[in-house]
Amino acid sequence: KAGVTQTPRYLIKTRGQQVTLSCSPISGHRSVSWYQQTPGQGLQFLFEYFSETQRNKGNFPGRFSGRQFSNSRSEMNVSTLELGDSALYLCASSLVPSNEKLFFGSGTQLSVL
Amino acid sequence: DQQVKQNSPSLSVQEGRISILNCDYTNSMFDYFLWYKKYPAEGPTFLISISSIKDKNEDGRFTVFLNKSAKHLSLHIVPSQPGDSAVYFCAASARNTGNQFYFGTGTSLTVIP
Repeated sequence: KAGVTQTPRYLIKTRGQQVTLSCSPISGHRSVSWYQQTPGQGLQFLFEYFSETQRNKGNFPGRFSGRQFSNSRSEMNVSTLELGDSALYLCASSLVPSNEKLFFGSGTQLSVL
Repeated sequence: DQQVKQNSPSLSVQEGRISILNCDYTNSMFDYFLWYKKYPAEGPTFLISISSIKDKNEDGRFTVFLNKSAKHLSLHIVPSQPGDSAVYFCAASARNTGNQFYFGTGTSLTVIP
């Protein structure tokens, strides 16, 4: 069974641009969540999607948005990029929303110059 | 506001000895706790979990202890092996919050052969 797949693996953008990251969950998993990892901050919850609906949202500005498609694939978008948005963005999936274990992808490393 | 804290950024242990990683939390609503292991350039992988109704959970060389009154959990690895060298994150969640986990900032474990 394939794991969680995130594309692209690396991205370099400049301030003010926007970016879209993609995540394909494990087959059969319908819940997808996104996390931001920065040095010294650990992993911070961005949002969670289930059945194409956002169920939960972390404490991030509105420049961060996401969506989920009918095949459970998810995208997240960051508009008007800032230097502080440089981070590893991790996608995780589970069968359904639950507070049990998540399966993570390898992440997209975003660098904002 | 860091609700889950790992106060030791790094830990070095000799091969064959015990590794003890610690984690503290502040939110008394957390009822499920997990440990993840992360190698460079990979996403976190689930290691072990514990529900708040238990105070200990064991899986092979890994044991997690939960002290609810102290809001503290620890991960014991016995015996430690060089392949255990990685960054370890603890995470916590509350019932009915789906995949919204709160992560610590991680402890980098180095097992010296």
